[in-house]
Amino acid sequence: DTEVTQTPKHLVMGMTNKKSLKCEQHMGHRAMYWYKQKAKKPPELMFVYSYEKLSINESVPSRFSPECPNSSLLNLHLHALQPEDSALYLCASSQPTRSGNTIYFGEGSWLTVV
Amino acid sequence: AQKITQTQPGMFVQEKEAVTLDCTYDTSDQSYGLFWYKQPSSGEMIFLIYQGSYDEQNATEGRYSLNFQKARKSANLVISASQLGDSAMYFCAMRVLRGSTLGRLYFGRGTQLTVWP
Repeated sequence: DTEVTQTPKHLVMGMTNKKSLKCEQHMGHRAMYWYKQKAKKPPELMFVYSYEKLSINESVPSRFSPECPNSSLLNLHLHALQPEDSALYLCASSQPTRSGNTIYFGEGSWLTVV
Repeated sequence: AQKITQTQPGMFVQEKEAVTLDCTYDTSDQSYGLFWYKQPSSGEMIFLIYQGSYDEQNATEGRYSLNFQKARKSANLVISASQLGDSAMYFCAMRVLRGSTLGRLYFGRGTQLTVWP
């Protein structure tokens, strides 16, 4: 069973809606990530938080807004999305050390923008 | 620049047989980690196995083993005794352990494994 929990599992939203994806981990990890994955493609990094601070933004459009309220939670706020934003959104976490600590992923949130 | 190459878009194996999924990587860094993930159609990205660049022994986790050949820059995944539930997309990934303490994951394009009875 995954120790990174994502909600909701499926989300359908209109282009004018505001919604949020949520992610929670209880492994004591201090780095959390958002990835976007289109069909039959590998995941693409969007954001990285380290010690609750945004450390990497991969030039993601501002209609995606991440938030890390505490070390266990990571949100992705969605507003005015486009149909091409429909994808699987994966949350992940790890220890932010120089060792090869494994990055653990959640089950993902399937997003459809209509 | 870091690059992961998976040259097998699809692989087929009969149940109970072993299968090898290929992965080659390119990096100029000396310190890195190599990962394999399994992604069923449900979407979850499941961690399978990890190999550090300084690890002398090949990693093993149950039915999974990683054939690490550093000089050839290859990190092939071997699945022994395949099961129907092994049918999924498999991604090879690399994390460079320098600079930022976080390290990015660089993914290959994946190999779709199908296990048939």
